[in-house]
Amino acid sequence: SQKIEQNSEALNIQEGKTATLTCNYTNYSPAYLQWYRQDPGRGPVFLLLIRENEKEKRKERLKVTFDTTLKQSLFHITASQPADSATYLCALTGGFKTIFGAGTRLFVKA
Amino acid sequence: EAGVAQSPRYKIIEKRQSVAFWCNPISGHATLYWYQQILGQGPKLLIQFQNNGVVDDSQLPKDRFSAERLKGVDSTLKIQPAKLEDSAVYLCASSRLAGGLTDTQYFGPGTRLTVL
Repeated sequence: SQKIEQNSEALNIQEGKTATLTCNYTNYSPAYLQWYRQDPGRGPVFLLLIRENEKEKRKERLKVTFDTTLKQSLFHITASQPADSATYLCALTGGFKTIFGAGTRLFVKA
Repeated sequence: EAGVAQSPRYKIIEKRQSVAFWCNPISGHATLYWYQQILGQGPKLLIQFQNNGVVDDSQLPKDRFSAERLKGVDSTLKIQPAKLEDSAVYLCASSRLAGGLTDTQYFGPGTRLTVL
């Protein structure tokens, strides 16, 4: 069955460092992959989208890579700030269907 | 532009009672989604509408859950009767394009349901 895995443990990093979050998937051929941010008590907010034929996408301090051979996406936040603390979800879309990972909690300490 | 609106924000009911949630998507968005998010998990798609037709309801427990999207705009999700395991946040999302195209989903704040 289709499966998405994100780091189940929380990621704790120091302010100013680069946070790297991982999204692995199996039994799926997504047309594109998205990363969302979710704060407590709120719905997910879209951050970045990367298509299957793209290797890398950037937006300000955010960078996403997508390796369809490894079936993995990496999400980087450079120069992290305490305001970046949240849960980050990856979502894969293929065949008119989108499935979400469970998310990784990121804590950025000042 | 106004975001996706949902109501109520919180609901507490006893098991075997019924409950309904309402969603108003972003104006002009063709596709509407209902998700169930259990604490510590990612959102799980319950049903996806394209305009007022159902695209995917494969994970909707149809013996107790029902949803409709009248006139291709607002939508309601109903649970009858509720079970303890239905305790979750119910998220509504909408996207501009018809399904199958590169599209971003915009989420509402969700309704937190507690079943006692």
